[in-house]
Amino acid sequence: DVKVTQSSRYLVKRTGEKVFLECVQDMDHENMFWYRQDPGLGLRLIYFSYDVKMKEKGDIPEGYSVSREKKERFSLILESASTNQTSMYLCASSLSFGRQPQYFGPGTRLTVL
Amino acid sequence: QKEVEQNSGPLSVPEGAIASLNCTYSDRGSQSFFWYRQYSGKSPELIMSIYSNGDKEDGRFTAQLNKASQYVSLLIRDSQPSDSATYLCAVVDQTGANNLFFGTGTRLTVIP
Repeated sequence: DVKVTQSSRYLVKRTGEKVFLECVQDMDHENMFWYRQDPGLGLRLIYFSYDVKMKEKGDIPEGYSVSREKKERFSLILESASTNQTSMYLCASSLSFGRQPQYFGPGTRLTVL
Repeated sequence: QKEVEQNSGPLSVPEGAIASLNCTYSDRGSQSFFWYRQYSGKSPELIMSIYSNGDKEDGRFTAQLNKASQYVSLLIRDSQPSDSATYLCAVVDQTGANNLFFGTGTRLTVIP
């Protein structure tokens, strides 16, 4: 069965803190993705990775960085959290070949005060 | 900019009726299409995929694809209150690493 897990369901941080969001998949998927979802704006792609140590910017990478040291794990880093980064963060993974869907983790609701 | 358009709703249907959700996309070369269901406060869950023109049925769900019209739809028969959710249409980006373009979703409410 498809399984994507995220380190926290809810997280509250202060402005200026460094924040780590972790995502782990057990499906041996090559591709992993980080999105944020805000009311009225839909899903927006922050970063994605198609291989270990590889990363590509999505539509809104500013203020974020990522790390992929192992195939199953993809981390999103907020170097200095700001209030406008309060959002739902969703991790997803997919196979790299063919016409494959993405599978999502449960999401992390981040609040930056 | 490749686009996926959905009517944001809300769409309200009575229990037992057919709910029809529609999606149009701009990239004529798109080959793969998915429907996700998202309950409030939860993450998107894949419910249907469709790759060829025509209909694909899975239980109470039917996905319909018309590539010539760049149109994909989802029909939910015998709608139940548990079907109340936001439905996201997604289209594979042919140029990316299986990146998906998502619509903003249609909110469906099934009235008991």
